[in-house]
Amino acid sequence: NAGVMQNPRHLVRRRGQEARLRCSPMKGHSHVYWYRQLPEEGLKFMVYLQKENIIDESGMPKERFSAEFPKEGPSILRIQQVVRGDSAAYFCASSPFPGEGEQYFGPGTRLTVT
Amino acid sequence: GQQVMQIPQYQHVQEGEDFTTYCNSSTTLSNIQWYKQRPGGHPVFLIQLVKSGEVKKQKRLTFQFGEAKKNSSLHITATQTTDVGTYFCAGSPLNDYKLSFGAGTTVTVRA
Repeated sequence: NAGVMQNPRHLVRRRGQEARLRCSPMKGHSHVYWYRQLPEEGLKFMVYLQKENIIDESGMPKERFSAEFPKEGPSILRIQQVVRGDSAAYFCASSPFPGEGEQYFGPGTRLTVT
Repeated sequence: GQQVMQIPQYQHVQEGEDFTTYCNSSTTLSNIQWYKQRPGGHPVFLIQLVKSGEVKKQKRLTFQFGEAKKNSSLHITATQTTDVGTYFCAGSPLNDYKLSFGAGTTVTVRA
């Protein structure tokens, strides 16, 4: 049973470009969470999605950021017109149930904006 | 909103010594989870505590959930170099699913 998969593992973008981060949850998991981690800091919740639904996006910046979890395919975190401050590690986690039990984290995508 | 705070932020430990990291929430939690993140790695689940006053042990690690379900601690005995990493606590408030993570305690070990 493959774990949570994220790609790419490393992504370099110039200011103003778009970044697309992909997350495939564990098999059987329908709950996906995105977190951002700045160097030397903890994990900041961004968004919680179930299949085809955004449940909670309270941690996501109102502009330039969007997320989706389509019926088929991976969850996508999209950052438009990236700025240097977007440089961070973005982790996706999945769980079989909301709010209970462990969240299984993917290896993360390290985004660098030059 | 809910805040989860961890202290200390950094813990430098001599190999073989014990240490404790603490986690405090501004609100009552339904459960507390602990994760470990190795340098350059991703968070890995260690344990979940649900009951008031609960204590769980994993080999040299002892986890405790406070009576009021607002604080937790992780105690590591006889620290080894394999214990290096950042330990995060994460809690869900009552009637909510969202995990709020503390800033973590980063542990380094002197051989």
